[in-house]
Amino acid sequence: GAVVSQHPSWVICKSGTSVKIECRSLDFQATTMFWYRQFPKQSLMLMATSNEGSKATYEQGVEKDKFLINHASLTLSTLTVTSAHPEDSSFYICSAPQGAFTEAFFGQGTRLTVV
Amino acid sequence: SQKIEQNSEALNIQEGKTATLTCNYTNYSPAYLQWYRQDPGRGPVFLLLIRENEKEKRKERLKVTFDTTLKQSLFHITASQPADSATYLCALDGGNNRKLIWGLGTSLAVNP
Repeated sequence: GAVVSQHPSWVICKSGTSVKIECRSLDFQATTMFWYRQFPKQSLMLMATSNEGSKATYEQGVEKDKFLINHASLTLSTLTVTSAHPEDSSFYICSAPQGAFTEAFFGQGTRLTVV
Repeated sequence: SQKIEQNSEALNIQEGKTATLTCNYTNYSPAYLQWYRQDPGRGPVFLLLIRENEKEKRKERLKVTFDTTLKQSLFHITASQPADSATYLCALDGGNNRKLIWGLGTSLAVNP
C-alpha cells in the first residue's frame, strides 16, 4: 500500500513555543491531506483538511491561527502548533486518501507533550 | 447528525476463537464503510472497505458484513491470535469530500 511518513514521531516542547509536524506522501501525490488529534482512549477527531495550493479547511472549534496548516506541494503538508500550551498535548496524526472510495493511509502519528 | 457506535467495552477472547466486533450507525446512508486497526501510539492501518451494494467482504482471516437495512457492520476475525490484539476502528465515508466519520473503536485482547 501507499506510504505516508510523519515526522517527528514524538516531541517535547516548552509552553509558549511552536512545533512543526510534517506529513509526506512518499509514493503518491496527495492533493488533500487530513489532520487529526486523538486523546487517550478517544477516537480520531478531525481538525482540518489540508488542500494543496489553497487554504486549509478547519473543523468547527479548531483555531486556525493556533494550528497553522501549509500544503505547499503535492507530497507535503505541515501542521504548526503555535504558542503551545499543556492542553495541546496530544497525539496528532495525518492521513492521505488516494482517491474517492479508497482507503486512507495514515502517518505514524506524533506524540506532542507540552511542558 | 450522523452517529456511529462501536462496542464500547473491551472484548477479551481466547486464542483460536472468532472475534466479532460491531459497528452501528444512525441518521446516515454511507456509500461505503471501512475498518482499521490501531496499535498503541501508532496511526490506524487500513484493513477492509465494503461498499453499500456489497453484503460481505473477506480478506484472509478477516470478514466484514454490511447491512444497510439494520445500519450495521460486523467485523470478524477467525482463528484469532494474540497478535490480533489491538483497537479496531470503524469509519464511514463522509460524502464526496473524502472525510471519514470515525467510531470510538473497540479494544480487542486475544489471550493465549
